[in-house]
Amino acid sequence: DGGITQSPKYLFRKEGQNVTLSCEQNLNHDAMYWYRQDPGQGLRLIYYSQIVNDFQKGDIAEGYSVSREKKESFPLTVTSAQKNPTAFYLCASSIWSLEANEKLFFGSGTQLSVL
Amino acid sequence: AQTVTQSQPEMSVQEAETVTLSCTYDTSESDYYLFWYKQPPSRQMILVIRQEAYKQQNATENRFSVNFQKAAKSFSLKISDSQLGDAAMYFCASTYNTNAGKSTFGDGTTLTVKP
Repeated sequence: DGGITQSPKYLFRKEGQNVTLSCEQNLNHDAMYWYRQDPGQGLRLIYYSQIVNDFQKGDIAEGYSVSREKKESFPLTVTSAQKNPTAFYLCASSIWSLEANEKLFFGSGTQLSVL
Repeated sequence: AQTVTQSQPEMSVQEAETVTLSCTYDTSESDYYLFWYKQPPSRQMILVIRQEAYKQQNATENRFSVNFQKAAKSFSLKISDSQLGDAAMYFCASTYNTNAGKSTFGDGTTLTVKP
C-alpha cells in the first residue's frame, strides 16, 4: 500500500542533543512538508521541499534542519538550538501542482518529548 | 499573510444529528483552495473535503458538505447523520497559487459525538 511512514512514533531528547525524525513516502510525490502541532493549536509549517536537493524554510524553521537527497525521503533534524521541541511532528506529501489544489497526505506522526 | 480562523474549539452532536463547524479565512488572493481535514484519535490526518474558490457550487462528499460564502470569506463544514466514527479534531486549511502550495491551518475544532 502506498503511503507515508514516519518513525519513530515516540522520541525523547536530552538537553543539548540533536535528534532526527524519519519520513519516507512511496507515493511518488514531488512535494514533502514538515509540520509541528502543539496542543490546542493548528499545524505550523517548518520546512518544505518541492524537488530533490531543494527545500525552503516555512514559518517556524529556526532550530530545525532538513535534507532531501532522495525523492522518497525527507528527514527532519531537531537541533539543540530548538529550545522548546516538545510537540507532535507531522510529515506530509503531495503532488506538486502550480494550482496549489492538491491535497496533503499525512504520516502518522512522531511525538517528541524532552527528558 | 493568510489566516484561517476556527472560532469553535469544541463542538458536540448527538448521533444521527447534523452539526456545522465554522471556518473563516482572510486573503487578498483571487485563486485559492480550501480544505477540511480530519484528525481522529490515531492522530493521522486525512482529507475530508476540498473546495476550489472559483467554483460557486458547494462541494459535497457523502455525508459531508460545505457552505462556501466567498464574499464573507466563510467555509463551514456540515456533517449530516453524524456517526461515532466522526468524532475527531477537524482542521480548516487554505492554499494559494502564489504560496507554493503551502497550507495554512486553523487551530481546529474538537467534535464529540454522543451516542
